[in-house]
Amino acid sequence: ETGVTQTPRHLVMGMTNKKSLKCEQHLGHNAMYWYKQSAKKPLELMFVYSLEERVENNSVPSRFSPECPNSSHLFLHLHTLQPEDSALYLCASSQTYRGGTEAFFGQGTRLTVV
Amino acid sequence: QKEVEQDPGPLSVPEGAIVSLNCTYSNSAFQYFMWYRQYSRKGPELLMYTYSSGNKEDGRFTAQVDKSSKYISLFIRDSQPSDSATYLCAMHNAGNMLTFGGGTRLMVKP
Repeated sequence: ETGVTQTPRHLVMGMTNKKSLKCEQHLGHNAMYWYKQSAKKPLELMFVYSLEERVENNSVPSRFSPECPNSSHLFLHLHTLQPEDSALYLCASSQTYRGGTEAFFGQGTRLTVV
Repeated sequence: QKEVEQDPGPLSVPEGAIVSLNCTYSNSAFQYFMWYRQYSRKGPELLMYTYSSGNKEDGRFTAQVDKSSKYISLFIRDSQPSDSATYLCAMHNAGNMLTFGGGTRLMVKP
């Protein structure tokens, strides 16, 4: 186990559904991240939280809504998604969000939008 | 130009070969360099972490950083089929977040 746990591992949802992805880290880190990984594309940083405050939002469509209730938990709320949103969604954590520390990843949620 | 460039491969080698994986980058301020390994349908796992220039060895893996050339490498000795995965380089400086390369897919054939 990496210390970062994501649920569910797989999710199939229709375009009108609402669902949430959950991430929990047991490493005592202060920063948490959501990344999107599509086939044959580099990792795309979506959101960054540091001590429960959002510090980065990389022009992500509003149909993705993050929530960080505390430094150990991170959610990604999904609604009215499009088929092109199908991807592997990865959560990561690090000691801080600014340089010098490595990021640890969860196993990801494989999302399919039908 | 992307900030971090990595050949996507696939790179196919026979078992036992020495593998060389590389990344080039454009930001001379990068100081921390990482290699992640990602198996199919899994999240990336940290393999090597180095600071500034030089070499770092861990078992069959050696990470090399050449800051003057803005070039980093990961060498795998005596490659095994279990090394077949996508290898991602990542880097940052003290003031910024991680920047990832696109990953190189490696296939080690028995």
